[in-house]
Amino acid sequence: NAGVTQTPKFRILKIGQSMTLQCTQDMNHNYMYWYRQDPGMGLKLIYYSVGAGITDKGEVPNGYNVSRSTTEDFPLRLELAAPSQTSVYFCASSYAGGANYGYTFGSGTRLTVV
Amino acid sequence: KQEVTQIPAALSVPEGENLVLNCSFTDSAIYNLQWFRQDPGKGLTSLLLIQSSQREQTSGRLNASLDKSSGRSTLYIAASQPGDSATYLCAVRQGDTDKLIFGTGTRLQVFP
Repeated sequence: NAGVTQTPKFRILKIGQSMTLQCTQDMNHNYMYWYRQDPGMGLKLIYYSVGAGITDKGEVPNGYNVSRSTTEDFPLRLELAAPSQTSVYFCASSYAGGANYGYTFGSGTRLTVV
Repeated sequence: KQEVTQIPAALSVPEGENLVLNCSFTDSAIYNLQWFRQDPGKGLTSLLLIQSSQREQTSGRLNASLDKSSGRSTLYIAASQPGDSATYLCAVRQGDTDKLIFGTGTRLQVFP
């Protein structure tokens, strides 16, 4: 199994450009998440989804959008990139909610906005 | 609001030592607690998952304990090796929101 796959691994954007970070999982997980990790700040939840067609905001959703048209895919869209969005982005998935299930993370996308 | 704290923030030990990493959380209403390892520039690798009804989990040289009532978890690493050098993150899955809340990690260096 590939697990959670993120593309691209690295990207440099100019201020005001837009891009989509791709995330796909092959574990038939229902729940998917997007986090950003800033140095020394831990991981912050951007958006999450508990199933196809359902998305909701996390702690830091401003400047981002998501969609969940299939169980496997959960792309993150950045509109009008700003230097504050320079970060490492991680996608994660979980089979379901509750005590029995943990999260599986992708390898991350390192984004720089200049 | 749940807060997860990891102490120490950094740790440097000689190879072969047994060591303990600490994680504390303020809200005991959790579903589970998960320990992750993160190598520089890499993603998060899950090490151990402890459900809220469990007291500990073991995997190889790793042992994680959970005391939900006191809001504490420890990750015990036996006979540390240079390959254990990484950042270790703990995260709690909240019982009310079902979201994962992370600590800021302990950066471990094991030198030969």
